Amino acid sequence: DTGVSQDPRHKITKRGQNVTFRCDPISEHNRLYWYRQTLGQGPEFLTYFQNEAQLEKSRLLSDRFSAERPKGSFSTLEIQRTEQGDSAMYLCASSFTGGDYGYTFGSGTRLTVV
Amino acid sequence: GESVGLHLPTLSVQEGDNSIINCAYSNSASDYFIWYKQESGKGPQFIIDIRSNMDKRQGQRVTVLLNKTVKHLSLQIAATQPGDSAVYFCASSPSKLIFGQGTTLQVKP
Repeated sequence: DTGVSQDPRHKITKRGQNVTFRCDPISEHNRLYWYRQTLGQGPEFLTYFQNEAQLEKSRLLSDRFSAERPKGSFSTLEIQRTEQGDSAMYLCASSFTGGDYGYTFGSGTRLTVV
Repeated sequence: GESVGLHLPTLSVQEGDNSIINCAYSNSASDYFIWYKQESGKGPQFIIDIRSNMDKRQGQRVTVLLNKTVKHLSLQIAATQPGDSAVYFCASSPSKLIFGQGTTLQVKP
């Protein structure tokens, strides 16, 4: 296991298109988190899963955003009808329950909406 | 709402000097704290963590101090090296991590 993997690394899309990102967490971790980071800012929490259950969603997560973790392993984050304001780095992290031993982040997916 | 804030957006230090980066948090229920380092184009990298039942924790060249009374956290880096140049974030958690804005550490040779 080489850590948290995110795919793709970069995505350029036209406004109005749908995009989907994938995150593969560390296999032993039962929690998976999505964050969004814009230039010069700290990561902002979007949502997290414990196994396949989505336990919390931020108010930042509009109806155009949906996340799934169908089998409690990998997760997908979909953005529908993308807007220029969605341009950001989307980060995935995983941890054990309670965050013991830290949260491990992936390298992120850089989304540019043109 | 809960917030985490860093005191200085940028810190410039001479190579070999010690660096201290400070952070304040608002949620008194936070019981776990992490410092991350982030280099350009990469995800945050874990540096050191501390739980609320501790005041101090040391790693290799790094020390985290926690003052729960004033809700303050600091990261000390000993003998700062050029490779330490990055953005540093503190994050606190009762259930998920809340990040501060970040302090850019610049190391002058």
